Amino acid sequence: ETGVTQTPRHLVMGMTNKKSLKCEQHLGHNAMYWYKQSAKKPLELMFVYSLEERVENNSVPSRFSPECPNSSHLFLHLHTLQPEDSALYLCASSQENRDTGELFFGEGSRLTVL
Amino acid sequence: DQQVKQNSPSLSVQEGRISILNCDYTNSMFDYFLWYKKYPAEGPTFLISISSIKDKNEDGRFTVFLNKSAKHLSLHIVPSQPGDSAVYFCAASMNSGYALNFGKGTSLLVTP
Repeated sequence: ETGVTQTPRHLVMGMTNKKSLKCEQHLGHNAMYWYKQSAKKPLELMFVYSLEERVENNSVPSRFSPECPNSSHLFLHLHTLQPEDSALYLCASSQENRDTGELFFGEGSRLTVL
Repeated sequence: DQQVKQNSPSLSVQEGRISILNCDYTNSMFDYFLWYKKYPAEGPTFLISISSIKDKNEDGRFTVFLNKSAKHLSLHIVPSQPGDSAVYFCAASMNSGYALNFGKGTSLLVTP
């Protein structure tokens, strides 16, 4: 079983749908992240949760709503998205240890908004 | 405003030769730098890192060099192997922040 698991791997939705992306980490980490990767752009940080509290929200539109019910699970709730929101959404986790700064990524959820 | 820049979108190298991937950054507060490797349909995986107190870190075929005065780092892969073909992301972090700032990535192709 991989350290960080994301479901679904692929999602196609209309602009009026409501869907959720799920992330689960099995590494015992205490911080979780959502990143967005669009074509020809760097990975963009969306949200950070540390000890289940949101500590960073990088000006993400309200149509993206994160939820972190416990330190192992992270959700990204999606509603009324736009076609430009189509991207690869990557979940990551880390242990708050400044010696490494390493993030462990899931395989991503490829989202297409029609 | 992009704080981590990888100006070469792609690089092609022959098997056995050295691959050099470059990265520049603008924020002098960054104190930790990482390289990630990404294959298609997979998430990025950590490759190697370096702290700002060092100028070189080596791990097998991979070496990262940091030039703080130039705000530049590079990843050397020697000898390059076809399995190294992937997209390489440079990332940087600062002690006061939680997350990494990534570059756009460089796609490396190692040809037999």
